[in-house]
Amino acid sequence: DAKTTQPPSMDCAEGRAANLPCNHSTISGNEYVYWYRQIHSQGPQYIIHGLKNNETNEMASLIITEDRKSSTLILPHATLRDTAVYYCIVRSKAAGNKLTFGGGTRVLVKP
Amino acid sequence: NAGVTQTPKFRILKIGQSMTLQCTQDMNHNYMYWYRQDPGMGLKLIYYSVGAGITDKGEVPNGYNVSRSTTEDFPLRLELAAPSQTSVYFCASSRRPGTGLDNYGYTFGSGTRLTVV
Repeated sequence: DAKTTQPPSMDCAEGRAANLPCNHSTISGNEYVYWYRQIHSQGPQYIIHGLKNNETNEMASLIITEDRKSSTLILPHATLRDTAVYYCIVRSKAAGNKLTFGGGTRVLVKP
Repeated sequence: NAGVTQTPKFRILKIGQSMTLQCTQDMNHNYMYWYRQDPGMGLKLIYYSVGAGITDKGEVPNGYNVSRSTTEDFPLRLELAAPSQTSVYFCASSRRPGTGLDNYGYTFGSGTRLTVV
């Protein structure tokens, strides 16, 4: 399974954009990048996913580099409710559709 | 739509007791998963199932058992509870890849917080 590397923590000012980086240099063709977040002790919440093209939905934007070795999740206008742990995951091509969660990035949005 | 429902939300067990964590989903998802999350750590896969009657081990299966008799239900059984099994347990489900939609992300339940004393 392709491993991902994320910074352990970052702070962001409320109302500003939060840019969360993720390295996945061993990603192979047809492997998707997924982003989840976990607010306090709740179950992880799906945010967005992508393969090659940049993606946008009502929650966030996902920018994937042309070589697909890294990606950035963008929260365009961070709010205090966006304080959470954000996980970048490469979805395994192996049987079972398994997602391997790393340590994630702990994002603290400050007033 | 209820999504993924887990019961109970909290439980305290004594060492050596057994219990079953319940998980049910109403999205007709073929795939289901059990994860555990220790304090301050990421999620680790315990067991997963790709359909009724089919289960397989994940990263940390020791001390647990599962069954999948229906598409909807995927209970997790703890036999002889130990303090090391104190954790938050999350159940999740997903579509089977290849169903014509490209989002095979998981829907998670709200978790069961288990303490073994």
